[in-house]
Amino acid sequence: DTAVSQTPKYLVTQMGNDKSIKCEQNLGHDTMYWYKQDSKKFLKIMFSYNNKELIINETVPNRFSPKSPDKAHLNLHINSLELGDSAVYFCASSQVGGQNIYEQYFGPGTRLTVT
Amino acid sequence: QQQVKQSPQSLIVQKGGISIINCAYENTAFDYFPWYQQFPGKGPALLIAIRPDVSEKKEGRFTISFNKSAKQFSLHIMDSQPGDSATYFCAATSSGGYNKLIFGAGTRLAVHP
Repeated sequence: DTAVSQTPKYLVTQMGNDKSIKCEQNLGHDTMYWYKQDSKKFLKIMFSYNNKELIINETVPNRFSPKSPDKAHLNLHINSLELGDSAVYFCASSQVGGQNIYEQYFGPGTRLTVT
Repeated sequence: QQQVKQSPQSLIVQKGGISIINCAYENTAFDYFPWYQQFPGKGPALLIAIRPDVSEKKEGRFTISFNKSAKQFSLHIMDSQPGDSATYFCAATSSGGYNKLIFGAGTRLAVHP
């Protein structure tokens, strides 16, 4: 069984379009994340939701809008795509509780190419 | 502002050798330091992690060494194998911070047979 799944795996689109990436986890975790990995492989957190509440919102253009319909799903919608948005986007999930830190599980990634 | 600095950027090791990757952090609030392994086309996967209350943690061929006073930690891969060829990321986070991982820039390891 896939723990964290993302769709689509590849996304090729033109500048100015709007696109969405979907993420689902079946681990029963209460927190989900979006990370961006650029062409140099640098991984940076973008957003995080805990029990459907936005808890981490890094310096990301407001063209990016995450949505969490329930604890198991976190989607990323991107408006007016730009060339610089080309990257691999990873969804991750984790259980979060007080002073405990639990393993963060990553999905397989969505490679977005903007032409 | 790069809160976690990782070196080297790339590393070539012969089969059976020791691979060493180093990381340094700035934020003294960090109290959990995981290492992630990423193969091409895959998501990062947790390899091993350490808390600052211990100076070393070993799991199989993988060892983390931690120096709290120097704010440095390193990953040692003993008896490196071609199957270890991947990109390795160190990371840091603080408890109570919703597990927000701050990653190093990554090290591309190639183990030659």
